[in-house]
Amino acid sequence: DQQVKQNSPSLSVQEGRISILNCDYTNSMFDYFLWYKKYPAEGPTFLISISSIKDKNEDGRFTVFLNKSAKHLSLHIVPSQPGDSAVYFCAASARYGGATNKLIFGTGTLLAVQP
Amino acid sequence: NAGVTQTPKFRILKIGQSMTLQCTQDMNHNYMYWYRQDPGMGLKLIYYSVGAGITDKGEVPNGYNVSRSTTEDFPLRLELAAPSQTSVYFCASSLSGRANTGELFFGEGSRLTVL
Repeated sequence: DQQVKQNSPSLSVQEGRISILNCDYTNSMFDYFLWYKKYPAEGPTFLISISSIKDKNEDGRFTVFLNKSAKHLSLHIVPSQPGDSAVYFCAASARYGGATNKLIFGTGTLLAVQP
Repeated sequence: NAGVTQTPKFRILKIGQSMTLQCTQDMNHNYMYWYRQDPGMGLKLIYYSVGAGITDKGEVPNGYNVSRSTTEDFPLRLELAAPSQTSVYFCASSLSGRANTGELFFGEGSRLTVL
């Protein structure tokens, strides 16, 4: 039972265009969400997060949008760069910043940014 | 900065063999974790530790053991390896145990194949 779903295993985007990575969740108790980025042969690294009291959080080229009613969040990368090519994992936790050992990860989306 | 270091990076085991995946971090983090990632699946927590001498089971602990004798080290022991343990293993650490303040720092991963 996958509580955090990333239904697109892969996404290909042209350099300079917008990349939109989607994540859906089923547990209404989730109230804190994170995105991690993973390059091949490396461990995931934290990218950006959002709490349920917000519907948008922005950090440079990266913006995460949260739609609580739809239990959906998305990561926007604008403009996309070849160096953004990586696997992106969505993760969720409950009880506002609940314990890190309760993080639930999605299956990841492989983003390929074409030059 | 070394961060989180895992060894070995690759290993092939025969069914029934045992081995230890080593993990060490130099950030003085109290919290440490072991995850596994299977193809097409999200990261699953195997075991975690909130400090030296304290460990607890995660979502998928069967077939594994851990110890935490020092703050720096958190080895993962596989006893009687089985093909179902073929996976990529990630060690991680965090300063805080709360998702909204405890960014996870991951090692590069250890790819284990059991034949």
